[in-house]
Amino acid sequence: KNQVEQSPQSLIILEGKNCTLQCNYTVSPFSNLRWYKQDTGRGPVSLTIMTFSENTKSNGRYTATLDADTKQSSLHITASQLSDSASYICVVEGNYGQNFVFGPGTRLSVLP
Amino acid sequence: EAQVTQNPRYLITVTGKKLTVTCSQNMNHEYMSWYRQDPGLGLRQIYYSMNVEVTDKGDVPEGYKVSRKEKRNFPLILESPSPNQTSLYFCASSFLAGTSGRAYEQYFGPGTRLTVT
Repeated sequence: KNQVEQSPQSLIILEGKNCTLQCNYTVSPFSNLRWYKQDTGRGPVSLTIMTFSENTKSNGRYTATLDADTKQSSLHITASQLSDSASYICVVEGNYGQNFVFGPGTRLSVLP
Repeated sequence: EAQVTQNPRYLITVTGKKLTVTCSQNMNHEYMSWYRQDPGLGLRQIYYSMNVEVTDKGDVPEGYKVSRKEKRNFPLILESPSPNQTSLYFCASSFLAGTSGRAYEQYFGPGTRLTVT
């Protein structure tokens, strides 16, 4: 069964600290892996997209890694800010356009 | 401004009363998709469309219909809504990878919160 799992389910950190979110998937075939940020009550916003040949991709303070062999990805957030408080969703695209499998998300709270 | 718009943003309706949620994008995207988001389940794909007059089922299509008569619009139709369709709905669009294999960013609308009583 195609699945995307994320951990932890929720995370609380202090402003300025770093954190790493995890994503494991069992989607096949595999086209790419995406990380989204979703603020409460709003639509997800794309952070990174990685194909199987890409090991890492950065977007400002966000750095995603991908290990296609172990089917694991991580999202590292550096020097967290209060505005980073959101849900972070890992998504794997199987066949192009036909099969998006979403993880349940990690709820991140950044406290002052 | 490049965007995906959805209407209405909030809707409370009763069981069995047909409704349509509109979705429109101004980015000339070929690909459009509908998702529902429920607590603890993440987003699940309802229907998608790769171009005008081309639509296909996602993971949870039961109880929904879609149409793609124009490139910019992709309405979601609930012919006979039931309480289990109470959810937060998102429309999204993107360019289509095609044979290039390149992955394009999906743009999501602001969401429609539907309650069926």
